[in-house]
Amino acid sequence: EPEVTQTPSHQVTQMGQEVILRCVPISNHLYFYWYRQILGQKVEFLVSFYNNEISEKSEIFDDQFSVERPDGSNFTLKIRSTKLEDSAMYFCASSGTGAGEYFGPGTRLTVT
Amino acid sequence: KNEVEQSPQNLTAQEGEFITINCSYSVGISALHWLQQHPGGGIVSLFMLSSGKKKHGRLIATINIQEKHSSLHITASHPRDSAVYICAVQLGGSNYKLTFGKGTLLTVNP
Repeated sequence: EPEVTQTPSHQVTQMGQEVILRCVPISNHLYFYWYRQILGQKVEFLVSFYNNEISEKSEIFDDQFSVERPDGSNFTLKIRSTKLEDSAMYFCASSGTGAGEYFGPGTRLTVT
Repeated sequence: KNEVEQSPQNLTAQEGEFITINCSYSVGISALHWLQQHPGGGIVSLFMLSSGKKKHGRLIATINIQEKHSSLHITASHPRDSAVYICAVQLGGSNYKLTFGKGTLLTVNP
Protein backbone atom coordinates (compact mmCIF):
# COMPACT_ATOMS: atom_id res chain seq x y z
CA GLU A 1 0.00 0.00 0.00
CA PRO A 2 1.37 3.46 -0.84
CA GLU A 3 2.50 5.53 2.12
CA VAL A 4 3.75 8.95 3.06
CA THR A 5 7.26 8.94 4.47
CA GLN A 6 8.98 11.53 6.62
CA THR A 7 12.57 12.13 7.64
CA PRO A 8 14.06 12.43 10.13
CA SER A 9 11.91 10.68 12.70
CA HIS A 10 13.43 12.79 15.46
CA GLN A 11 15.34 16.06 15.18
CA VAL A 12 16.99 17.84 18.06
CA THR A 13 18.14 21.38 17.43
CA GLN A 14 19.23 24.43 19.34
CA MET A 15 17.10 27.53 19.55
CA GLY A 16 17.79 29.86 16.66
CA GLN A 17 18.92 27.13 14.29
CA GLU A 18 17.27 26.34 10.98
CA VAL A 19 15.64 22.96 10.46
CA ILE A 20 14.26 21.27 7.38
CA LEU A 21 11.71 18.53 7.77
CA ARG A 22 11.29 16.29 4.78
CA CYS A 23 8.31 14.40 3.42
CA VAL A 24 7.73 12.18 0.41
CA PRO A 25 3.98 12.23 -0.35
CA ILE A 26 2.15 9.54 -2.27
CA SER A 27 3.21 9.89 -5.88
CA ASN A 28 -0.08 10.66 -7.64
CA HIS A 29 -1.47 12.93 -4.93
CA LEU A 30 -2.03 16.60 -5.64
CA TYR A 31 -2.59 18.19 -2.24
CA PHE A 32 0.04 18.37 0.45
CA TYR A 33 -0.21 19.47 4.05
CA TRP A 34 1.82 20.09 7.13
CA TYR A 35 0.26 19.76 10.57
CA ARG A 36 1.80 19.97 13.97
CA GLN A 37 0.92 18.56 17.38
CA ILE A 38 2.42 20.06 20.50
CA LEU A 39 2.72 17.43 23.22
CA GLY A 40 -0.63 16.88 24.92
CA GLN A 41 -2.53 19.12 22.51
CA LYS A 42 -4.63 18.58 19.42
CA VAL A 43 -3.29 18.43 15.91
CA GLU A 44 -3.21 21.84 14.22
CA PHE A 45 -3.15 22.76 10.55
CA LEU A 46 -0.10 24.68 9.39
CA VAL A 47 -0.20 24.92 5.62
CA SER A 48 -1.61 23.36 2.47
CA PHE A 49 0.13 23.24 -0.89
CA TYR A 50 -1.34 22.65 -4.31
CA ASN A 51 -0.12 23.27 -7.83
CA ASN A 52 3.30 24.37 -6.56
CA GLU A 53 2.02 27.08 -4.31
CA ILE A 54 0.57 27.59 -0.85
CA SER A 55 -3.22 27.36 -1.02
CA GLU A 56 -3.89 28.15 2.62
CA LYS A 57 -1.92 28.78 5.78
CA SER A 58 -2.81 29.19 9.42
CA GLU A 59 -1.81 32.02 11.73
CA ILE A 60 0.86 29.70 13.14
CA PHE A 61 2.60 29.64 9.76
CA ASP A 62 4.45 32.94 10.09
CA ASP A 63 7.51 34.25 8.25
CA GLN A 64 9.73 31.76 10.06
CA PHE A 65 8.10 28.92 8.15
CA SER A 66 8.34 28.03 4.49
CA VAL A 67 7.45 25.06 2.32
CA GLU A 68 8.88 23.80 -0.92
CA ARG A 69 8.46 21.00 -3.38
CA PRO A 70 11.99 21.15 -4.73
CA ASP A 71 12.05 18.17 -7.06
CA GLY A 72 8.51 16.99 -7.72
CA SER A 73 8.63 14.27 -5.10
CA ASN A 74 9.87 15.76 -1.83
CA PHE A 75 7.84 18.25 0.17
CA THR A 76 9.77 20.16 2.80
CA LEU A 77 8.96 22.36 5.77
CA LYS A 78 11.67 24.79 6.81
CA ILE A 79 11.76 26.65 10.09
CA ARG A 80 14.33 29.43 9.77
CA SER A 81 15.07 30.26 13.39
CA THR A 82 13.60 27.74 15.76
CA LYS A 83 12.04 28.71 19.06
CA LEU A 84 11.41 26.56 22.09
CA GLU A 85 7.68 26.63 21.32
CA ASP A 86 8.31 25.02 17.93
CA SER A 87 8.95 21.74 19.74
CA ALA A 88 6.22 19.44 18.48
CA MET A 89 5.42 16.49 16.30
CA TYR A 90 5.16 17.58 12.68
CA PHE A 91 3.01 15.52 10.34
CA CYS A 92 3.01 15.65 6.59
CA ALA A 93 -0.12 14.50 4.75
CA SER A 94 -1.16 14.15 1.15
CA SER A 95 -4.43 13.59 -0.64
CA GLY A 96 -5.74 13.09 -4.12
CA THR A 97 -8.91 14.80 -5.26
CA GLY A 98 -11.76 13.62 -3.02
CA ALA A 99 -9.62 11.05 -1.24
CA GLY A 100 -8.98 10.79 2.46
CA GLU A 101 -5.74 12.16 3.72
CA TYR A 102 -2.74 9.92 4.18
CA PHE A 103 -0.46 10.86 7.03
CA GLY A 104 3.23 10.34 7.41
CA PRO A 105 4.62 8.89 10.65
CA GLY A 106 5.70 12.32 11.87
CA THR A 107 8.94 14.05 12.80
CA ARG A 108 9.43 14.84 16.46
CA LEU A 109 11.20 18.20 16.69
CA THR A 110 12.85 19.08 19.97
CA VAL A 111 14.24 22.59 20.34
CA THR A 112 16.61 23.09 23.25
CA LYS B 1 -14.95 29.29 13.25
CA ASN B 2 -15.46 25.55 13.11
CA GLU B 3 -15.19 23.78 16.43
CA VAL B 4 -14.88 20.03 16.73
CA GLU B 5 -15.86 18.55 20.08
CA GLN B 6 -15.32 14.97 21.11
CA SER B 7 -16.68 13.01 24.02
CA PRO B 8 -15.64 11.43 26.19
CA GLN B 9 -12.06 12.71 26.57
CA ASN B 10 -11.01 9.48 28.25
CA LEU B 11 -12.63 6.07 28.10
CA THR B 12 -11.64 2.89 29.88
CA ALA B 13 -13.29 -0.37 28.91
CA GLN B 14 -12.97 -4.08 29.54
CA GLU B 15 -12.06 -6.34 26.69
CA GLY B 16 -15.14 -7.33 24.74
CA GLU B 17 -17.16 -4.22 25.53
CA PHE B 18 -18.93 -2.13 22.89
CA ILE B 19 -17.35 1.31 22.62
CA THR B 20 -18.87 4.55 21.37
CA ILE B 21 -16.99 7.80 20.81
CA ASN B 22 -18.89 10.90 19.79
CA CYS B 23 -17.99 13.92 17.72
CA SER B 24 -19.94 17.10 17.07
CA TYR B 25 -19.02 20.06 14.94
CA SER B 26 -20.37 23.54 14.51
CA VAL B 27 -20.46 24.33 10.78
CA GLY B 28 -21.35 22.56 7.55
CA ILE B 29 -18.69 20.20 6.30
CA SER B 30 -17.95 18.18 3.20
CA ALA B 31 -16.48 15.19 5.03
CA LEU B 32 -15.55 13.90 8.44
CA HIS B 33 -12.58 11.71 9.26
CA TRP B 34 -11.95 9.32 12.09
CA LEU B 35 -8.28 8.82 12.81
CA GLN B 36 -6.31 6.64 15.18
CA GLN B 37 -3.14 7.73 16.92
CA HIS B 38 -1.01 5.21 18.77
CA PRO B 39 1.38 6.06 21.62
CA GLY B 40 4.30 6.25 19.18
CA GLY B 41 2.53 9.21 17.59
CA GLY B 42 1.71 8.06 14.07
CA ILE B 43 -1.75 8.87 12.69
CA VAL B 44 -3.78 6.37 10.68
CA SER B 45 -6.93 7.25 8.82
CA LEU B 46 -9.79 4.91 9.74
CA PHE B 47 -12.75 6.38 7.90
CA MET B 48 -13.79 9.27 5.74
CA LEU B 49 -17.54 9.92 5.79
CA SER B 50 -19.80 12.38 4.08
CA SER B 51 -23.08 10.62 4.85
CA GLY B 52 -24.55 7.49 6.35
CA LYS B 53 -22.47 4.72 7.77
CA LYS B 54 -19.26 2.82 7.05
CA LYS B 55 -17.97 -0.43 8.51
CA HIS B 56 -14.52 -1.90 8.54
CA GLY B 57 -14.02 -5.02 10.58
CA ARG B 58 -15.06 -4.25 14.15
CA LEU B 59 -15.21 -0.52 13.53
CA ILE B 60 -18.35 1.32 12.50
CA ALA B 61 -18.63 5.04 11.81
CA THR B 62 -21.86 6.95 11.38
CA ILE B 63 -22.63 10.53 10.57
CA ASN B 64 -25.77 12.65 10.82
CA ILE B 65 -25.21 15.72 8.66
CA GLN B 66 -28.35 17.52 9.84
CA GLU B 67 -27.40 17.13 13.49
CA LYS B 68 -23.68 17.77 12.82
CA HIS B 69 -22.77 14.67 14.74
CA SER B 70 -20.77 11.51 14.16
CA SER B 71 -20.05 8.42 16.20
CA LEU B 72 -17.32 5.82 16.08
CA HIS B 73 -18.22 2.40 17.45
CA ILE B 74 -15.91 -0.46 18.25
CA THR B 75 -17.51 -3.85 18.72
CA ALA B 76 -15.87 -6.57 20.82
CA SER B 77 -13.09 -4.23 21.94
CA HIS B 78 -9.59 -5.58 22.41
CA PRO B 79 -6.52 -4.23 24.24
CA ARG B 80 -4.87 -3.55 20.88
CA ASP B 81 -7.65 -1.01 20.21
CA SER B 82 -6.12 1.16 22.94
CA ALA B 83 -5.18 4.44 21.25
CA VAL B 84 -6.31 8.01 20.82
CA TYR B 85 -9.22 8.33 18.42
CA ILE B 86 -9.49 11.66 16.69
CA CYS B 87 -12.36 13.22 14.80
CA ALA B 88 -11.43 15.72 12.10
CA VAL B 89 -13.55 17.60 9.60
CA GLN B 90 -12.97 19.17 6.22
CA LEU B 91 -14.96 22.14 5.09
CA GLY B 92 -14.96 21.47 1.39
CA GLY B 93 -14.16 23.45 -1.67
CA SER B 94 -10.83 22.59 -3.20
CA ASN B 95 -8.85 22.55 0.02
CA TYR B 96 -9.05 19.37 2.01
CA LYS B 97 -7.33 20.65 5.14
CA LEU B 98 -8.59 19.11 8.36
CA THR B 99 -9.73 20.69 11.60
CA PHE B 100 -9.16 18.31 14.49
CA GLY B 101 -10.87 17.47 17.72
CA LYS B 102 -8.81 16.94 20.85
CA GLY B 103 -9.13 13.19 20.66
CA THR B 104 -10.48 10.47 22.92
CA LEU B 105 -8.00 8.32 24.80
CA LEU B 106 -9.32 4.76 24.81
CA THR B 107 -7.84 2.17 27.12
CA VAL B 108 -9.10 -1.38 26.81
CA ASN B 109 -8.09 -3.62 29.69
CA PRO B 110 -7.77 -7.40 29.32
